[in-house]
Amino acid sequence: QVQLVQSGTEVKKPGASVKVSCKTSGYTFTDYYIHWVRQAPGPGLEWMGWINPNSGDTNSARKFQGRVTLTRDASISTAYMELSGLRSDDTAVYYCARDANTGGDCWGQGTLVAVSS
Amino acid sequence: DIVMTQSPLSLPVTLGQPAFISCRSSQSLGYRDGSTYLNWFHQRPGQSPRRLIYKVSNRDSGVPDRFSGSGSGTDFTLKISRVEAEDVGVYYCMQGKHWPPSWTFGQGTKVEI
Repeated sequence: QVQLVQSGTEVKKPGASVKVSCKTSGYTFTDYYIHWVRQAPGPGLEWMGWINPNSGDTNSARKFQGRVTLTRDASISTAYMELSGLRSDDTAVYYCARDANTGGDCWGQGTLVAVSS
Repeated sequence: DIVMTQSPLSLPVTLGQPAFISCRSSQSLGYRDGSTYLNWFHQRPGQSPRRLIYKVSNRDSGVPDRFSGSGSGTDFTLKISRVEAEDVGVYYCMQGKHWPPSWTFGQGTKVEI
């Protein structure tokens, strides 16, 4: 079955960078875009961007441009999201999701990134 | 940018009774290809979102048929025909722009018994 498994909890200081991985299985990695979404404490989902695993093309929300880097390693069916210049308001659970029919049909379990001095 | 507005934000429900959640977009979600890229998600506490509905009214695999979606243009509705205890949580509508892909979520509707 389709699975997206993310890396574990990260605790970072303000100004640092974090890199979250999303390992996929159960389907052809290059056939579906991977999106990244975050959820700060409380309800609310915020879209960050996507990567085309086939070409490596990316696009990100204006809010994150210049701070987020989306990459992939197709040889191990894994996508990555790196966020730099961390601030306290970047504390959130970060999700990867497979894009099917322009919506995430399968999501990772989430990675908590806590930013604190 | 497209803004998605849900109502109500909090929805007390009664087991066995229907429930309705509304979602309005700031511009039409219909595209030249004839599709309307409106999705509905359900998120339980401590869990990842799970998609229930895509393209307005198509249920994802394994989603009970008590969930249905309807609407067009800028106005959409998620209906739960008979609420069950496992349906509690937060529901989000989401528009998925076709190209270049981008997602915008509604604020979420908290459903509680």
